[in-house]
Amino acid sequence: GAVVSQHPSRVICKSGTSVKIECRSLDFQATTMFWYRQFPKQSLMLMATSNEGSKATYEQGVEKDKFLINHASLTLSTLTVTSAHPEDSSFYICSAGATGGKLFFGSGTQLSVL
Amino acid sequence: GNSVTQMEGPVTLSEEAFLTINCTYTATGYPSLFWYVQYPGEGLQLLLKATKADDKGSNKGFEATYRKETTSFHLEKGSVQVSDSAVYFCALSSSSGSARQLTFGSGTQLTVLP
Repeated sequence: GAVVSQHPSRVICKSGTSVKIECRSLDFQATTMFWYRQFPKQSLMLMATSNEGSKATYEQGVEKDKFLINHASLTLSTLTVTSAHPEDSSFYICSAGATGGKLFFGSGTQLSVL
Repeated sequence: GNSVTQMEGPVTLSEEAFLTINCTYTATGYPSLFWYVQYPGEGLQLLLKATKADDKGSNKGFEATYRKETTSFHLEKGSVQVSDSAVYFCALSSSSGSARQLTFGSGTQLTVLP
């Protein structure tokens, strides 16, 4: 089946630094990718929808200048957490939309900001 | 708005035990309901789904029935195996079926002991 590769799986960084998370669709082209965030004991929450070649659509309450999304090709979307702070520590997961409306998820990235 | 309330974990069972993970939802209209599973180190995978009331989704011995009267979609398996150890997410989508409209529960960690 279709595979989505997300990297890194875990990252620890210092407060104030930026962290980039990559999401790749390995055997299909994804015009749309989605980024989610999950705080402990809470639901996966959609952060933004990433469309190839255009600006991302952010959900209400998500700061677009803090969470930079780039979808430069049909197989790669990146999420950059800029000037990360401890409150940004969370589990981030991406998904890619394939033909027929199917969704395939990455394995997630656990971000810890010290 | 839409919401999904899922049984808190973690859940620990012995092999061959009966499994129930409760899931209830709040939604307008007639949503589709899903169970996703995330095995260690992997992305979320669709386990089963139901698109209308009284539908039963089933896969790999797991079942869930769309109960509109109780707004529930409980996941069951008659005899769990060690290989079923994973995190299970209940989710719903609006009638439009767009991936953007997926609403997730908080996930339930299941550990099956030999």
